Amino acid sequence: DGGITQSPKYLFRKEGQNVTLSCEQNLNHDAMYWYRQDPGQGLRLIYYSQIVNDFQKGDIAEGYSVSREKKESFPLTVTSAQKNPTAFYLCASSQSNYGYTFGSGTRLTVV
Amino acid sequence: AQSVSQHNHHVILSEAASLELGCNYSYGGTVNLFWYVQYPGQHLQLLLKYFSGDPLVKGIKGFEAEFIKSKFSFNLRKPSVQWSDTAEYFCAVNAYSGNTPLVFGKGTRLSVIA
Repeated sequence: DGGITQSPKYLFRKEGQNVTLSCEQNLNHDAMYWYRQDPGQGLRLIYYSQIVNDFQKGDIAEGYSVSREKKESFPLTVTSAQKNPTAFYLCASSQSNYGYTFGSGTRLTVV
Repeated sequence: AQSVSQHNHHVILSEAASLELGCNYSYGGTVNLFWYVQYPGQHLQLLLKYFSGDPLVKGIKGFEAEFIKSKFSFNLRKPSVQWSDTAEYFCAVNAYSGNTPLVFGKGTRLSVIA
């Protein structure tokens, strides 16, 4: 079945650590996105990529980094510069402007 | 920049009551409009979408939405809710052309009680 796989489902980070969230899709979609979901805040865009080897900052990119070396993969690194990283992170992909396919998310907690 | 406002943070309804969730957007050009639903512990799922044509859009599970261009609104409706409709609902918008990111509202939590 085609879809988006996010891993891990739960992730714990110590203060000062960088962690990387994985997002893989087998839908052959050109565009991929990372959103952060906090209670009462909806989904806020972190980074997006419309084509391999290119990506753009979203509304809350500070403290995050991404890469897009392959069409299928769009990993997100939460760096130590992100002061409030505890959140639910959602990855999505799309081929056109007609809506997204979402992954099941990664819940990141700082311990 | 685009923005989306969802007026109700939390709505509580009894089963069989009618539902209307408000959504207004801010954008100067032509838009695509979406409603997504997130059931407890599940993926975000697409309920319905509007690109062009008939402004009354029907989606899955008996939901519908009406695009009123003059009001920049895209309200979600269902004539009779069920307990299984308990979820969080998100309105989203993007520009009509180009593979542009979706901008989401803050969501409305719907609780349906028996």
